[in-house]
Amino acid sequence: SQQGEEDPQALSIQEGENATMNCSYKTSINNLQWYRQNSGRGLVHLILIRSNEREKHSGRLRVTLDTSKKSSSLLITASRAADTASYFCATDRAPIRAAGNKLTFGGGTRVLVKP
Amino acid sequence: GAGVSQSPSNKVTEKGKDVELRCDPISGHTALYWYRQSLGQGLEFLIYFQGNSAPDKSGLPSDRFSAERTGGSVSTLTIQRTQQEDSAVYLCASSSFPRGRVGETQYFGPGTRLLVL
Repeated sequence: SQQGEEDPQALSIQEGENATMNCSYKTSINNLQWYRQNSGRGLVHLILIRSNEREKHSGRLRVTLDTSKKSSSLLITASRAADTASYFCATDRAPIRAAGNKLTFGGGTRVLVKP
Repeated sequence: GAGVSQSPSNKVTEKGKDVELRCDPISGHTALYWYRQSLGQGLEFLIYFQGNSAPDKSGLPSDRFSAERTGGSVSTLTIQRTQQEDSAVYLCASSSFPRGRVGETQYFGPGTRLLVL
């Protein structure tokens, strides 16, 4: 089963509005990453937040992490039509100092930004 | 230099045939991952290579799937006797692994879209 579950599954907003999506996971993590995917092809890395961080910003993106609730949120401010894509959270459950960190992905949120 | 590249971009094959998918990771990245994305299953981990360590094959769905990584760089994912349920986008990712750090960003290639008729 998916480690991460995302909410909502789909989101439709007007250009200029903010888009917020959430991700929940089940087990302890080292970090959580957010990716964007256009047209079902390659994933573009957006931001990585480590388990000891609570908030991180990158441009118009803001990510929060609440390890007590095992949840994260991605906020896109002042959305643009080009932000239309699917957004995935992915968790790294490797134990500390392990050499491998395969990612476990959520089901994704499809975001449509209407011009 | 360039990002992760994968070939072919698209592959159509007949049920029962073998296919090989190729991944060229970012130069210098020691870790390489294969994932699969299919309708109804989402993105799922297949196999992971890290340096000279034995690969983590825990995500391979059956023994028809195998992968190798030659010279610590290029990787090939092979699917033998393909089935229709193998149809999916196969994504490769690589990451660096500086000593003493965990959880580095994985950079994904554009994927290979496989269709088994």
